[in-house]
Amino acid sequence: EVQLVESGGGLVKPGGSLRLSCAASGFSFSNFTMNWVRQAPGKGLEWVSAISSKSYYMYYADSVKGRFTISRDNAKSSLFLQMNSLRAEDTAVYYCARGESWGQGTLVTVSS
Amino acid sequence: DIQMTQSPSSLSASVGDRVTITCRASQAINNYLAWYQQKPGKVPKLLISAASTVHSGVPSRFSGSGSETEFTLTINSLQTEDVATYYCQKYNTAPLTFGGGTKVEIK
Repeated sequence: EVQLVESGGGLVKPGGSLRLSCAASGFSFSNFTMNWVRQAPGKGLEWVSAISSKSYYMYYADSVKGRFTISRDNAKSSLFLQMNSLRAEDTAVYYCARGESWGQGTLVTVSS
Repeated sequence: DIQMTQSPSSLSASVGDRVTITCRASQAINNYLAWYQQKPGKVPKLLISAASTVHSGVPSRFSGSGSETEFTLTINSLQTEDVATYYCQKYNTAPLTFGGGTKVEIK
């Protein structure tokens, strides 16, 4: 069974940093492009970032470009999102996703 | 960047009704279009990929059609358990933009 488990969310002040992790199991993690998707409270889904299977390519939404960095460790079947210079508008549930498989999400709250 | 526009943003229909949701891309995306269902408080669930391929386990009342710039999600015979927000997403190239969502309610 495919499982994606996010961690690392929490409360952070504006301008602060946070690193999200996603532990994957139940599939050949190293063969798949992985994504981060977020959802602000009461709002729609927003794609944030993607990384190709061997980390050759990384892509970002304009709203996070230059502040967020996606990475992965295929040996540990893990996906990461380093979030710097956080803003109030980054407050959201962050999901790790691979097409039909999504984690339960981790809440990031940016507030003073 | 390609924009994805869904319509309507919300709808109310009766049990048994046929419901159609439209997603328009600002540029052609071939058939690289997915539909997700998100029930209140739940994680999004993939319904359809490649514009018309229904994901395993999805009830047969759900179908998708379209290509290039115009796509539709159809729910034949709406059920109470279909109350949810539905999103389209393009995935031909980054950014993998979602539509704004369509909230479906029961009348």
